[in-house]
Amino acid sequence: AQSVTQPDIHITVSEGASLELRCNYSYGATPYLFWYVQSPGQGLQLLLKYFSGDTLVQGIKGFEAEFKRSQSSFNLRKPSVHWSDAAEYFCAVALSYNTDKLIFGTGTRLQVFP
Amino acid sequence: SQTIHQWPATLVQPVGSPLSLECTVEGTSNPNLYWYRQAAGRGLQLLFYSVGIGQISSEVPQNLSASRPQDRQFILSSKKLLLSDSGFYLCAWSQNDRDNQPQHFGDGTRLSIL
Repeated sequence: AQSVTQPDIHITVSEGASLELRCNYSYGATPYLFWYVQSPGQGLQLLLKYFSGDTLVQGIKGFEAEFKRSQSSFNLRKPSVHWSDAAEYFCAVALSYNTDKLIFGTGTRLQVFP
Repeated sequence: SQTIHQWPATLVQPVGSPLSLECTVEGTSNPNLYWYRQAAGRGLQLLFYSVGIGQISSEVPQNLSASRPQDRQFILSSKKLLLSDSGFYLCAWSQNDRDNQPQHFGDGTRLSIL
């Protein structure tokens, strides 16, 4: 069955430090991949998406993610974290035969210390 | 531009009472619409999705139902709430006229069952 794994439940970084949030998927064909961010008590905001082409995708708020087929990964990165980046981050995959259905990971909560 | 509205933002209901959560989308026509539930500390679970008026697909058996009485209106209902219905409910939309469109989320409704 298709699945998304975010192995880190909680990550703490200092402001200005670099960040990498891990995401692994299980799916036989080429997936469509997304990263969303959720601030406390709010809905989800799309950070970036990958459908095809260049495996390094740029998103909003200075985030980027790299699709690595050999590792079944789509890790999210940011070179320098700001305190306002503290939130929960969700990786999601849409299946190529039905892009209407998203499968979400369980999320990674990011805490940023000044 | 497109916007999505959910209400109420917060709701406290007794066990056994009925439920009606509403979601509307503006600035687009014939969107795909989705209802998700997010339980505390967990990812998002797709409950229902709709590709058109009166067309509802249910993803998981449960105590809830969904209806789409108008093109851009999606309602989540229950006749009798259970304690296990507590959670954060999110509505989302995506464009229906092109492939590989990301989903865009509302701000959610926090439902507490007493």
